Amino acid sequence: NAGVMQNPRHLVRRRGQEARLRCSPMKGHSHVYWYRQLPEEGLKFMVYLQKENIIDESGMPKERFSAEFPKEGPSILRIQQVVRGDSAAYFCASSLGTGGRYEQYFGPGTRLTVT
Amino acid sequence: QQQVKQSPQSLIVQKGGISIINCAYENTAFDYFPWYQQFPGKGPALLIAIRPDVSEKKEGRFTISFNKSAKQFSLHIMDSQPGDSATYFCAARFGSWGKLQFGAGTQVVVTP
Repeated sequence: NAGVMQNPRHLVRRRGQEARLRCSPMKGHSHVYWYRQLPEEGLKFMVYLQKENIIDESGMPKERFSAEFPKEGPSILRIQQVVRGDSAAYFCASSLGTGGRYEQYFGPGTRLTVT
Repeated sequence: QQQVKQSPQSLIVQKGGISIINCAYENTAFDYFPWYQQFPGKGPALLIAIRPDVSEKKEGRFTISFNKSAKQFSLHIMDSQPGDSATYFCAARFGSWGKLQFGAGTQVVVTP
């Protein structure tokens, strides 16, 4: 069973460009979480999605950031008009469910560098 | 307050020694406490986890101790090996959707 897949692994964007990060959850997982890791810091929750629905986006900046998890295809985290402060590692995690016994499995991350 | 405070920031231990990492939390609504191991350039991998109704859990060389009244939990790595050199994050789960609140991480270096 393949793990969580993310692409690209590294992404370089100039200020003002758009960044699109993709996450394919583990097979059978319909719950996706996105986290951001700034240098020398722990991961911070951004958004939680189920298929076709954004359930909790309380950790996501109000502007420039959006996420989706369509019926078919990977989950997408989109950052418009990137700024230097967006440089970070973005991780997605997937799980079978949200109850007590369901673990979150993390992908390898996308490292975004804004120049 | 949903912070999870982790210490120390870094740790150097000799091969065969014990690595101890501590975390403290405030929010009593946390219902699950996992530890993740992260190697450079990789995503976090679940190492071991505990629920608040259990005081200790051991898996191989890794043990979590949990003190509910003090709102503290710790990871002990016994017989530390150079391959254990990594960054370790404690986390706490909260909310209906299982969001994780992470500590800032501890970089562990095990010297030969």
